[in-house]
Amino acid sequence: SQQGEEDPQALSIQEGENATMNCSYKTSINNLQWYRQNSGRGLVHLILIRSNEREKHSGRLRVTLDTSKKSSSLLITASRAADTASYFCATADRYNFNKFYFGSGTKLNVKP
Amino acid sequence: NAGVMQNPRHLVRRRGQEARLRCSPMKGHSHVYWYRQLPEEGLKFMVYLQKENIIDESGMPKERFSAEFPKEGPSILRIQQVVRGDSAAYFCASSPILAGDETQYFGPGTRLLVL
Repeated sequence: SQQGEEDPQALSIQEGENATMNCSYKTSINNLQWYRQNSGRGLVHLILIRSNEREKHSGRLRVTLDTSKKSSSLLITASRAADTASYFCATADRYNFNKFYFGSGTKLNVKP
Repeated sequence: NAGVMQNPRHLVRRRGQEARLRCSPMKGHSHVYWYRQLPEEGLKFMVYLQKENIIDESGMPKERFSAEFPKEGPSILRIQQVVRGDSAAYFCASSPILAGDETQYFGPGTRLLVL
């Protein structure tokens, strides 16, 4: 299975702290994407990083990708209570990049 | 530009009934994907369709499940003779025809409850 796996499964921090989530996968990928899901809602796309990129920023988000270790990390800086959600990484197969594999997610709780 | 639309948002069926889930992709998107999410789990790929074509249905159960994306109208995921194990959230995503932009945009999901 190529499924990405997030680590930790759950993370609880205080508002203002940074949150780091990790994702590992098993095979060659075309790109890796991070999504957020608020409880009972759909997925919101956060950021896409391609296999030839090492780092990407978007606002308070920073994503890194290490293809040699088959891992990625998502850093949320200066977290807010509104960041409370589940975060999923999704990998797109290198040869069939329309098919996404999702991990089971990291549940982030940001306490005000 | 409206996002991906799914309806109904909630669907309750008794065992043995049929469930029909609808998905309207974003305007200009011709690729549709269906995923299933069980409680406390990630999304599992089911099927990928383009207009009038099933491209990849490797994640679809062999029986009772079918999907279509007709030339006109929404994509339909159909589950016949539902069982309790079909209870889940079903998400549809779409992506543009533009090569190189592989982001999938997700709808709000349909939560199916089988009694």
